[in-house]
Amino acid sequence: GDSVTQMEGPVTLSEEAFLTINCTYTATGYPSLFWYVQYPGEGLQLLLKATKADDKGSNKGFEATYRKETTSFHLEKGSVQVSDSAVYFCALSRATGRRALTFGSGTRLQVQP
Amino acid sequence: DTAVSQTPKYLVTQMGNDKSIKCEQNLGHDTMYWYKQDSKKFLKIMFSYNNKELIINETVPNRFSPKSPDKAHLNLHINSLELGDSAVYFCASRGTSGALGTGELFFGEGSRLTVL
Repeated sequence: GDSVTQMEGPVTLSEEAFLTINCTYTATGYPSLFWYVQYPGEGLQLLLKATKADDKGSNKGFEATYRKETTSFHLEKGSVQVSDSAVYFCALSRATGRRALTFGSGTRLQVQP
Repeated sequence: DTAVSQTPKYLVTQMGNDKSIKCEQNLGHDTMYWYKQDSKKFLKIMFSYNNKELIINETVPNRFSPKSPDKAHLNLHINSLELGDSAVYFCASRGTSGALGTGELFFGEGSRLTVL
Protein backbone atom coordinates (compact mmCIF):
# COMPACT_ATOMS: atom_id res chain seq x y z
CA GLY A 1 0.00 0.00 0.00
CA ASP A 2 0.88 3.66 -0.10
CA SER A 3 3.24 4.98 2.54
CA VAL A 4 5.21 8.10 3.40
CA THR A 5 8.37 8.14 5.50
CA GLN A 6 9.67 11.29 7.12
CA MET A 7 12.74 11.94 9.19
CA GLU A 8 12.08 11.76 12.90
CA GLY A 9 12.13 14.90 14.93
CA PRO A 10 12.41 17.06 16.71
CA VAL A 11 14.63 19.14 14.51
CA THR A 12 16.11 22.02 16.48
CA LEU A 13 17.72 24.90 14.59
CA SER A 14 18.87 28.41 15.30
CA GLU A 15 17.18 31.30 13.52
CA GLU A 16 18.46 31.83 9.96
CA ALA A 17 19.78 28.27 9.69
CA PHE A 18 19.13 26.10 6.62
CA LEU A 19 16.34 23.54 6.93
CA THR A 20 15.93 20.18 5.26
CA ILE A 21 13.22 17.70 6.23
CA ASN A 22 13.49 14.45 4.30
CA CYS A 23 10.46 12.70 2.86
CA THR A 24 10.28 9.55 0.74
CA TYR A 25 7.22 7.74 -0.49
CA THR A 26 5.96 4.42 -1.80
CA ALA A 27 2.98 4.42 -4.13
CA THR A 28 1.77 2.95 -7.38
CA GLY A 29 1.43 5.25 -10.35
CA TYR A 30 2.10 8.96 -10.14
CA PRO A 31 0.81 10.44 -6.90
CA SER A 32 0.53 14.10 -6.05
CA LEU A 33 2.79 15.15 -3.18
CA PHE A 34 2.12 17.69 -0.45
CA TRP A 35 3.65 19.34 2.57
CA TYR A 36 1.28 20.42 5.31
CA VAL A 37 2.15 22.46 8.40
CA GLN A 38 0.46 22.33 11.78
CA TYR A 39 1.09 25.22 14.17
CA PRO A 40 0.47 24.59 17.89
CA GLY A 41 -3.22 24.18 18.65
CA GLU A 42 -4.30 24.53 15.04
CA GLY A 43 -5.40 22.36 12.14
CA LEU A 44 -3.29 21.45 9.15
CA GLN A 45 -2.60 23.98 6.44
CA LEU A 46 -1.31 23.24 2.98
CA LEU A 47 2.23 24.59 2.63
CA LEU A 48 3.05 23.49 -0.91
CA LYS A 49 2.37 20.76 -3.43
CA ALA A 50 3.64 19.15 -6.64
CA THR A 51 1.58 17.03 -8.99
CA LYS A 52 4.14 15.55 -11.38
CA ALA A 53 7.78 14.57 -11.60
CA ASP A 54 10.31 17.42 -11.48
CA ASP A 55 7.66 19.92 -10.35
CA LYS A 56 8.85 22.28 -7.65
CA GLY A 57 6.35 23.49 -5.09
CA SER A 58 7.16 26.66 -3.19
CA ASN A 59 5.52 28.92 -0.62
CA LYS A 60 6.69 31.28 2.16
CA GLY A 61 10.35 30.54 1.37
CA PHE A 62 9.85 26.76 1.56
CA GLU A 63 10.54 24.57 -1.47
CA ALA A 64 10.26 20.90 -2.39
CA THR A 65 10.95 19.13 -5.67
CA TYR A 66 9.12 15.98 -6.81
CA ARG A 67 11.86 13.45 -7.58
CA LYS A 68 10.43 10.37 -9.23
CA GLU A 69 13.78 8.60 -9.54
CA THR A 70 14.43 8.75 -5.80
CA THR A 71 10.72 8.80 -4.78
CA SER A 72 11.45 11.82 -2.62
CA PHE A 73 9.94 15.21 -1.83
CA HIS A 74 12.33 16.84 0.64
CA LEU A 75 11.32 20.15 2.22
CA GLU A 76 13.90 22.95 2.32
CA LYS A 77 14.12 26.53 3.51
CA GLY A 78 17.17 28.71 3.27
CA SER A 79 16.69 30.71 6.47
CA VAL A 80 14.23 29.63 9.15
CA GLN A 81 12.49 31.94 11.58
CA VAL A 82 11.13 31.35 15.07
CA SER A 83 7.64 31.60 13.56
CA ASP A 84 8.36 28.50 11.45
CA SER A 85 8.27 26.34 14.58
CA ALA A 86 5.56 23.78 13.90
CA VAL A 87 4.97 20.16 12.90
CA TYR A 88 5.48 19.45 9.19
CA PHE A 89 3.72 16.58 7.43
CA CYS A 90 4.59 15.08 4.07
CA ALA A 91 1.65 13.46 2.29
CA LEU A 92 0.66 11.83 -0.97
CA SER A 93 -2.55 11.38 -2.90
CA ARG A 94 -3.18 9.08 -5.82
CA ALA A 95 -4.90 10.52 -8.85
CA THR A 96 -7.32 7.61 -9.09
CA GLY A 97 -8.87 5.08 -6.77
CA ARG A 98 -8.49 5.80 -3.08
CA ARG A 99 -8.44 9.58 -2.80
CA ALA A 100 -7.53 10.18 0.80
CA LEU A 101 -4.20 11.70 1.72
CA THR A 102 -1.66 9.33 3.22
CA PHE A 103 0.48 11.19 5.73
CA GLY A 104 3.96 10.70 7.08
CA SER A 105 4.44 10.68 10.83
CA GLY A 106 5.23 14.40 11.02
CA THR A 107 8.46 16.20 11.94
CA ARG A 108 8.50 18.76 14.69
CA LEU A 109 10.67 21.80 13.97
CA GLN A 110 11.84 24.02 16.81
CA VAL A 111 13.60 27.25 15.85
CA GLN A 112 15.48 29.03 18.61
CA PRO A 113 16.20 32.76 18.56
CA ASP B 1 -16.03 32.77 6.61
CA THR B 2 -14.45 29.61 8.07
CA ALA B 3 -14.04 27.08 5.27
CA VAL B 4 -14.20 23.88 7.35
CA SER B 5 -15.68 24.25 10.81
CA GLN B 6 -15.94 21.65 13.54
CA THR B 7 -17.82 21.67 16.81
CA PRO B 8 -17.07 21.31 19.59
CA LYS B 9 -13.42 22.27 19.71
CA TYR B 10 -12.94 20.60 23.08
CA LEU B 11 -14.84 17.68 24.54
CA VAL B 12 -14.20 16.11 27.95
CA THR B 13 -16.34 13.14 28.91
CA GLN B 14 -16.46 9.97 30.95
CA MET B 15 -15.81 6.45 29.71
CA GLY B 16 -18.94 4.76 28.43
CA ASN B 17 -20.65 7.95 27.27
CA ASP B 18 -21.81 8.66 23.72
CA LYS B 19 -20.71 11.86 21.97
CA SER B 20 -20.89 13.52 18.55
CA ILE B 21 -18.65 15.88 16.63
CA LYS B 22 -20.08 17.97 13.81
CA CYS B 23 -18.37 19.25 10.69
CA GLU B 24 -19.50 21.67 7.99
CA GLN B 25 -17.72 23.00 4.92
CA ASN B 26 -18.70 25.97 2.77
CA LEU B 27 -16.22 25.34 -0.04
CA GLY B 28 -18.63 23.54 -2.34
CA HIS B 29 -16.52 20.37 -2.08
CA ASP B 30 -18.05 16.97 -2.69
CA THR B 31 -15.76 14.82 -0.54
CA MET B 32 -15.28 14.97 3.22
CA TYR B 33 -13.08 13.04 5.63
CA TRP B 34 -12.49 12.25 9.28
CA TYR B 35 -8.91 11.82 10.46
CA LYS B 36 -7.71 10.86 13.93
CA GLN B 37 -4.50 12.38 15.30
CA ASP B 38 -2.98 10.56 18.25
CA SER B 39 -0.74 11.96 20.98
CA LYS B 40 2.34 11.43 18.79
CA LYS B 41 0.78 13.55 16.05
CA PHE B 42 0.25 10.57 13.74
CA LEU B 43 -2.69 11.14 11.38
CA LYS B 44 -4.88 8.23 10.35
CA ILE B 45 -7.80 8.29 7.93
CA MET B 46 -11.03 6.97 9.43
CA PHE B 47 -13.83 7.67 6.97
CA SER B 48 -14.58 9.49 3.76
CA TYR B 49 -17.84 10.44 2.09
CA ASN B 50 -18.36 11.55 -1.49
CA ASN B 51 -21.73 13.19 -2.16
CA LYS B 52 -23.21 11.51 0.93
CA GLU B 53 -21.86 8.08 -0.06
CA LEU B 54 -19.36 6.29 2.17
CA ILE B 55 -16.24 5.61 0.10
CA ILE B 56 -13.55 4.96 2.71
CA ASN B 57 -14.14 3.02 5.88
CA GLU B 58 -10.88 2.08 7.54
CA THR B 59 -10.47 -0.46 10.29
CA VAL B 60 -12.26 1.53 12.94
CA PRO B 61 -14.32 0.08 15.80
CA ASN B 62 -18.00 0.03 14.91
CA ARG B 63 -18.58 2.28 17.93
CA PHE B 64 -17.65 5.04 15.48
CA SER B 65 -20.41 5.92 13.05
CA PRO B 66 -20.18 8.72 10.50
CA LYS B 67 -23.25 10.38 9.05
CA SER B 68 -23.47 12.73 6.08
CA PRO B 69 -26.89 14.40 5.76
CA ASP B 70 -25.70 16.35 2.72
CA LYS B 71 -22.42 16.92 0.95
CA ALA B 72 -21.59 19.97 3.09
CA HIS B 73 -21.86 18.12 6.41
CA LEU B 74 -20.15 15.11 7.92
CA ASN B 75 -20.75 14.21 11.55
CA LEU B 76 -19.03 11.62 13.71
CA HIS B 77 -20.86 9.80 16.48
CA ILE B 78 -18.96 7.70 18.99
CA ASN B 79 -20.70 5.21 21.29
CA SER B 80 -19.39 3.76 24.54
CA LEU B 81 -16.30 5.94 24.66
CA GLU B 82 -13.05 4.35 25.78
CA LEU B 83 -9.82 5.86 27.13
CA GLY B 84 -8.06 5.05 23.85
CA ASP B 85 -10.48 7.23 21.94
CA SER B 86 -8.79 10.30 23.41
CA ALA B 87 -7.28 12.14 20.43
CA VAL B 88 -7.78 15.11 18.17
CA TYR B 89 -10.28 14.44 15.40
CA PHE B 90 -9.92 16.43 12.21
CA CYS B 91 -12.52 16.94 9.56
CA ALA B 92 -11.35 17.76 6.04
CA SER B 93 -12.86 18.36 2.63
CA ARG B 94 -11.68 18.11 -0.93
CA GLY B 95 -13.02 19.05 -4.32
CA THR B 96 -12.67 16.33 -6.92
CA SER B 97 -14.04 17.83 -10.07
CA GLY B 98 -13.40 20.82 -12.32
CA ALA B 99 -11.80 23.84 -10.72
CA LEU B 100 -12.31 22.28 -7.31
CA GLY B 101 -10.27 19.20 -8.17
CA THR B 102 -6.91 20.48 -6.97
CA GLY B 103 -6.18 17.44 -4.86
CA GLU B 104 -5.41 19.06 -1.56
CA LEU B 105 -7.45 18.68 1.57
CA PHE B 106 -8.74 21.59 3.60
CA PHE B 107 -8.79 20.88 7.32
CA GLY B 108 -10.86 22.08 10.21
CA GLU B 109 -9.19 23.20 13.42
CA GLY B 110 -9.76 19.88 15.12
CA SER B 111 -11.86 18.60 18.01
CA ARG B 112 -9.85 17.49 21.02
CA LEU B 113 -11.62 14.61 22.76
CA THR B 114 -10.53 13.63 26.26
CA VAL B 115 -12.04 10.51 27.79
CA LEU B 116 -11.64 10.21 31.57
